[in-house]
Amino acid sequence: KNQVEQSPQSLIILEGKNCTLQCNYTVSPFSNLRWYKQDTGRGPVSLTIMTFSENTKSNGRYTATLDADTKQSSLHITASQLSDSASYICVVIPMNTGFQKLVFGTGTRLLVSP
Amino acid sequence: DAGVTQSPTHLIKTRGQQVTLRCSPISGHKSVSWYQQVLGQGPQFIFQYYEKEERGRGNFPDRFSARQFPNYSSELNVNALLLGDSALYLCASSLVGGNEQFFGPGTRLTVL
Repeated sequence: KNQVEQSPQSLIILEGKNCTLQCNYTVSPFSNLRWYKQDTGRGPVSLTIMTFSENTKSNGRYTATLDADTKQSSLHITASQLSDSASYICVVIPMNTGFQKLVFGTGTRLLVSP
Repeated sequence: DAGVTQSPTHLIKTRGQQVTLRCSPISGHKSVSWYQQVLGQGPQFIFQYYEKEERGRGNFPDRFSARQFPNYSSELNVNALLLGDSALYLCASSLVGGNEQFFGPGTRLTVL
């Protein structure tokens, strides 16, 4: 069982609409949780980084939330744009793992349609 | 300032061959990590290097090896290639003790 699970696997929304992506994790304890955006065939780019004590973090139209009690995180995208079409990956870093052994989710593939 | 660079961008090999992938970290970054990303899945950790020494290893067979050079660039070697080694290989660099890794564009390896 993957320690970081994301839903939905894929999502299609119309340009201008909002959407929310979900991440459930079992990694515990962890030092921080990150959301990455990955364009097809490219490396992931960091969107947000939250420590275990933070509840929310925003980066422009992207807002991530974290509920450490339920071990859930979400990424909310506001006023979607065509360029938001990508995979969004939730990543958890276990506590005390030395040099950043990230645990990746399998991602949500988002397609923003005109 | 240049980001993480990787070469080549694409590579096609046949089963049984050997491959070497290269990575140059962001200037000032001394830690380099390698990941394998099979199509449709999240990246899987392969190795992490700091100061030319292996600091962490994922669940990959001994066919996978890596090294880091004095200028902190790194190479990933895969011997006796299998069809299942076809993937996007990502390199990420970071400051030692930093909480952010920066990924390169990846090398797409296809094994026929």
